Amino acid sequence: DAKTTQPPSMDCAEGRAANLPCNHSTISGNEYVYWYRQIHSQGPQYIIHGLKNNETNEMASLIITEDRKSSTLILPHATLRDTAVYYCIVLYNNNDMRFGAGTRLTVKP
Amino acid sequence: SQTIHQWPATLVQPVGSPLSLECTVEGTSNPNLYWYRQAAGRGLQLLFYSVGIGQISSEVPQNLSASRPQDRQFILSSKKLLLSDSGFYLCAWSVYKDEKLFFGSGTQLSVL
Repeated sequence: DAKTTQPPSMDCAEGRAANLPCNHSTISGNEYVYWYRQIHSQGPQYIIHGLKNNETNEMASLIITEDRKSSTLILPHATLRDTAVYYCIVLYNNNDMRFGAGTRLTVKP
Repeated sequence: SQTIHQWPATLVQPVGSPLSLECTVEGTSNPNLYWYRQAAGRGLQLLFYSVGIGQISSEVPQNLSASRPQDRQFILSSKKLLLSDSGFYLCAWSVYKDEKLFFGSGTQLSVL
């Protein structure tokens, strides 16, 4: 029972920004938004997480709306190696993490 | 630095046979440990998690069990495999109160 809704698939042109949306309308005030990605036949890889403020690291940027009911993961310059399934998760300090179906991003040359 | 080892990478087992998958973590103490399963084309399903030696929480009633005999060792077992146990099994760990998960490379299990 993942608390998030993501589009099942998206395409992006190589070199362009990939913007992956996530709806989490029932998020609680103390729940974080996490993003992971999974390249085929590998374990998921942590990308970024945030609570209220926008976050940026070497991999991506995370934009969280002011009401925290949705967020967007931005890959600024997508490459072919960014083709993967991207998971958006909401979590508060639990000892588990539940993954939904995610968004399959295909970066095309 | 911390590393997670999971083996074997692939496994083919007949229905009714036993199963033992092992996961070990290096470079950290008292990690939270997790077993996930992923059926073909599906998201990840949490099976078990552990916050310490001998402490196992099960998320889904099933044909599988987990044990944590040592601080950094997590084992997934079955006495008799079913066809429905086929899938991609992933072990993961996290630091207490920091829920960023680090995943192993996974085991592709085919039950025939």
